[in-house]
Amino acid sequence: RKEVEQDPGPFNVPEGATVAFNCTYSNSASQSFFWYRQDCRKEPKLLMSVYSSGNEDGRFTAQLNRASQYISLLIRDSKLSDSATYLCVVTGPDTGRRALTFGSGTRLQVQP
Amino acid sequence: GAGVSQSPSNKVTEKGKDVELRCDPISGHTALYWYRQSLGQGLEFLIYFQGNSAPDKSGLPSDRFSAERTGGSVSTLTIQRTQQEDSAVYLCASSQPGTSGGNHNYEQYFGPGTRLTVT
Repeated sequence: RKEVEQDPGPFNVPEGATVAFNCTYSNSASQSFFWYRQDCRKEPKLLMSVYSSGNEDGRFTAQLNRASQYISLLIRDSKLSDSATYLCVVTGPDTGRRALTFGSGTRLQVQP
Repeated sequence: GAGVSQSPSNKVTEKGKDVELRCDPISGHTALYWYRQSLGQGLEFLIYFQGNSAPDKSGLPSDRFSAERTGGSVSTLTIQRTQQEDSAVYLCASSQPGTSGGNHNYEQYFGPGTRLTVT
């Protein structure tokens, strides 16, 4: 079983739609959680951290459910520029091991 | 401010040759990471530096891979006797671990990567 699992998509949505991505992680002791965005042939860029209380940044809302080991990202009022691959990312329980573990990504295509 | 930079941006090499990839982290970031991403695959962790030491080398795929960091800044990743399966984008990231705990300690910022093609 992969450490971080995501639906690869693609999700094809019209402009203005609301879209949600989900992610599950296997290690219950994982400590930190993020969503990164990766455009085609570009490096990943940090979109937002994910906190247990849930957090919002403009049109983006992230939620973490530790009991279910589940992370979500909601994008409201989708723009064409939101088209990208969204990567769910966790860090391990060992504070000495600071590497990020990436999901394979969910591809979003926003259409005019 | 300046982000993470990597060089070269593209490298084509013949099987069996050695290659060196360079990473310049964000100024002041003490932690540096190497990852690679093969075509259509997710990112795979290779090695982590804190300052000049590497507390986690667990992701290096074989002893042909090595990395060093000097002066707490620039890092080089060396691949000896390259093989075709080494073809990938090699990404470097840096972060500024703090003492307050929480997600901030782990936020990593990536360079544009080096696209390595072994022919």
